[in-house]
Amino acid sequence: AQSVTQPDIHITVSEGASLELRCNYSYGATPYLFWYVQSPGQGLQLLLKYFSGDTLVQGIKGFEAEFKRSQSSFNLRKPSVHWSDAAEYFCAVIKAAGNKLTFGGGTRVLVKP
Amino acid sequence: NAGVTQTPKFQVLKTGQSMTLQCAQDMNHNSMYWYRQDPGMGLRLIYYSASEGTTDKGEVPNGYNVSRLNKREFSLRLESAAPSQTSVYFCASSEAGASYNEQFFGPGTRLTVL
Repeated sequence: AQSVTQPDIHITVSEGASLELRCNYSYGATPYLFWYVQSPGQGLQLLLKYFSGDTLVQGIKGFEAEFKRSQSSFNLRKPSVHWSDAAEYFCAVIKAAGNKLTFGGGTRVLVKP
Repeated sequence: NAGVTQTPKFQVLKTGQSMTLQCAQDMNHNSMYWYRQDPGMGLRLIYYSASEGTTDKGEVPNGYNVSRLNKREFSLRLESAAPSQTSVYFCASSEAGASYNEQFFGPGTRLTVL
C-alpha cells in the first residue's frame, strides 16, 4: 500500500526566514505528487503538483518543491516566509493509474514576528 | 462562481441520529469526493464519484452512504452517527480524465457526535 509521510508535525519559523517541509512517499512507481495548503478554518488549496518533467516545480505564493526519485521525497520550500504563510500543509500522492489522493498527516507552520 | 459549497458549516449530533451533508459544485466537474480530516491523519477518502451515476468506496466508507444526485451535487449521509465520526468533512471536485487534475475543496463541515 502506498503511504505518505510528513515527519514534522509542527514547524515554527521566523518571518523572513526560509522554510522547508519534508514529504516522503512509499510506492513502487513515481506517483503524481501534490502539495496543498489549508489556512485556518478554510478548505485546501493546491500549491503545486508534479507528474513528470523538470524535478523542480514552481507553485503559487512563492513556493517550490523538488522531486528526488532516489530519496522518494517531494520537499516543499519557500525562501522567505510571510506571516500569511501560517497554515497547515499537506503532501499528497495519486497512483499513476488512479484518481484517489492519499494525504500525509500534515505539517502545521507557525510564523513568529 | 462559488466553486465548491458545503452545508451545514457546523453540526452537533447525538449518538444514533442521522444527517446528510450537502455538497455542490458549479465548475461542471465530473468527479466529486468526500473526505474526513482528523488530527495527525491528514484527509482520508470516504467515497468518490468518478462521474454522474457512479459512486465507489474510498479508504474509510463504513458508516456512510453517498448519493450523486446530479452532476452538481454529491451528498454524504450518516445513518446512525457514532462518536468516532466526529471530524471535519470536506467535499472536493475535479475534472475527469487525467489523474493529476487538481481537486478543488469546499470549506468543510465540522461535525461533533456526542
